Amino acid sequence: EAQVTQNPRYLITVTGKKLTVTCSQNMNHEYMSWYRQDPGLGLRQIYYSMNVEVTDKGDVPEGYKVSRKEKRNFPLILESPSPNQTSLYFCASSLVGFDSYNEQFFGPGTRLTVL
Amino acid sequence: GQNIDQPTEMTATEGAIVQINCTYQTSGFNGLFWYQQHAGEAPTFLSYNVLDGLEEKGRFSSFLSRSKGYSYLLLKELQMKDSASYLCANKGNTPLVFGKGTRLSVIA
Repeated sequence: EAQVTQNPRYLITVTGKKLTVTCSQNMNHEYMSWYRQDPGLGLRQIYYSMNVEVTDKGDVPEGYKVSRKEKRNFPLILESPSPNQTSLYFCASSLVGFDSYNEQFFGPGTRLTVL
Repeated sequence: GQNIDQPTEMTATEGAIVQINCTYQTSGFNGLFWYQQHAGEAPTFLSYNVLDGLEEKGRFSSFLSRSKGYSYLLLKELQMKDSASYLCANKGNTPLVFGKGTRLSVIA
């Protein structure tokens, strides 16, 4: 089954304790992205990657890191989480091609609470 | 930037028709997506428009006017399960930019 998976789905942690949220897709997509979603603010892009070893900042990259060592995986790293990073996080992937239809497929989401 | 505007909330009656509007900046436009998102769940794809006009897909249709920077999503024969947020997303010269979403409540 074609899908994007994220782990963990739910996480409660404390300020300053490093954490990683994994994202994996099995559709051979070049493009992967991380979003956070907060009430009243919609989906905001954190980082994205056009292909292996190519990553770029989105709208709200502060406090996050990413890596793209393999095509299928795009982990999101919070080196020192803070309470303002409490949010619902989505990973997404798609084929690349800005002049053609390329639907983004979303993972199920990770609800993170930082105390 | 690529500001996207859509109403925050709408309410409609079961069985009725509702139109959700979206306006966007036209520079570097490469397509307009609509996604549906139920509370706490991932967005799911509804439609994609790159040419002007109406695309019909069952109970859902999406319209685009590139010259006006305007799109709408039309939902017919509303059902309770259509209560969700509807996200408009602009595919410009950068990866998708999402609007804040329109929360639709379908009432009996």
